[in-house]
Amino acid sequence: SYVLTQPPSVSVAPGQTARITCGGNSIGSKSVHWYQQRPGQAPVLVVYDDSDRPSGIPERFSGSNSGNTATLTISRVEAGDEADYYCQVWDSSSAHYVVFGGGTKLTVL
Amino acid sequence: QVQLQESGPGLVKPSETLSLTCAVSGYSINSHHYWGWIRQSPGKGLEWIGSIYQSGYTNYNPSLKSRVTISVDTSKNQFSLKLSSVTAADTAVYYCARRSGYDLDYYFDYWGQGTLVTVSS
Repeated sequence: SYVLTQPPSVSVAPGQTARITCGGNSIGSKSVHWYQQRPGQAPVLVVYDDSDRPSGIPERFSGSNSGNTATLTISRVEAGDEADYYCQVWDSSSAHYVVFGGGTKLTVL
Repeated sequence: QVQLQESGPGLVKPSETLSLTCAVSGYSINSHHYWGWIRQSPGKGLEWIGSIYQSGYTNYNPSLKSRVTISVDTSKNQFSLKLSSVTAADTAVYYCARRSGYDLDYYFDYWGQGTLVTVSS
């Protein structure tokens, strides 16, 4: 089955840039989607198709995907960005179809 | 505005069947979307359970397939989850969500608030 690997935690100071990675075999050939989950809340889609943003998501959230690594970049980080972030792909080569990464806890210092 | 709302018992006994329903409002379940269930064990990550189309076509996570049934009721604009023979490992927050995308590129763009189901005697 396809595996997505995320760092357990990332820390960044307010106003700085946070980069959260998602590793997978040839992930650049897939479309990667990212979700933000604040404590006690449901996940929210923040980036889809590698780099597109749903309406209402700030431009500070961006994504890229190449080779074996996809990256969610959050510019000018705010306290409200502190949350868990999950990457997700659709893998038709295995029976699992929907695959989530293990999640990354973003801490705003 | 698409809204999803999970409902069902918050406590289920071991070996029994967990049953949840997701009511969809602001959007027809007869649209060209799949609808899915995802769960999250306490302090853990997200796990996809399965998805269903308006026609009733389903696909399931193989690790749960033998115990999962997802069904749709288009007349009530809702879909449901049944998970049989539950154990403590099935204790989780269960989310329903709408699946969007195309060409084998799918993601979940609207989610319910989630409902905690505890498996305990």
